[in-house]
Amino acid sequence: AQKITQTQPGMFVQEKEAVTLDCTYDTSDQSYGLFWYKQPSSGEMIFLIYQGSYDEQNATEGRYSLNFQKARKSANLVISASQLGDSAMYFCAMRGLGSNYKLTFGKGTLLTVNP
Amino acid sequence: KAGVTQTPRYLIKTRGQQVTLSCSPISGHRSVSWYQQTPGQGLQFLFEYFSETQRNKGNFPGRFSGRQFSNSRSEMNVSTLELGDSALYLCASSTRDSLTDTQYFGPGTRLTVL
Repeated sequence: AQKITQTQPGMFVQEKEAVTLDCTYDTSDQSYGLFWYKQPSSGEMIFLIYQGSYDEQNATEGRYSLNFQKARKSANLVISASQLGDSAMYFCAMRGLGSNYKLTFGKGTLLTVNP
Repeated sequence: KAGVTQTPRYLIKTRGQQVTLSCSPISGHRSVSWYQQTPGQGLQFLFEYFSETQRNKGNFPGRFSGRQFSNSRSEMNVSTLELGDSALYLCASSTRDSLTDTQYFGPGTRLTVL
């Protein structure tokens, strides 16, 4: 079974500062993908970034980067230069292949960006 | 490309009724997955369809069912609604062609059961 743990129910950050959202995972699969999604109050899930289990380099997408530490089974999201529009719920998720081709989500972290 | 669309966006039903939700995937995507989001249970996987076949199913009762049409559009049905079925129902589409493909979500259908 796959499991995602996000230990920070809520986080606060000042505008223009960087913030790290924590995510640890557990799986017995050798091949898996790790995803981060953003969910504003409107409810839509917005894809942010992906990291594959075999990727040796950390993924980056604009202001988002994923700090992937495979031995520690962690996949933390780093948002640089926070903006007010970054205020939202953030979900870490993982997915495998075959019968594990389904997203398993953590409980999420509510990020609030203060002006 | 147009994104994933879901209809209706909001629904209010009473206990015992049934409901059908619709999801149109991104053009070219043949996989559609459904998720239920509630404050108590979080995001939970319902089922996935690919090429009109159910490929995976989550741990939900048989009242929850789905199907996929030849144009990849998908519907999910919930029969004999219960209060606990009140939730945001999200569908996601993907190409399902590799470990790296991304699932893109629609805006969701918010179901309220009274």
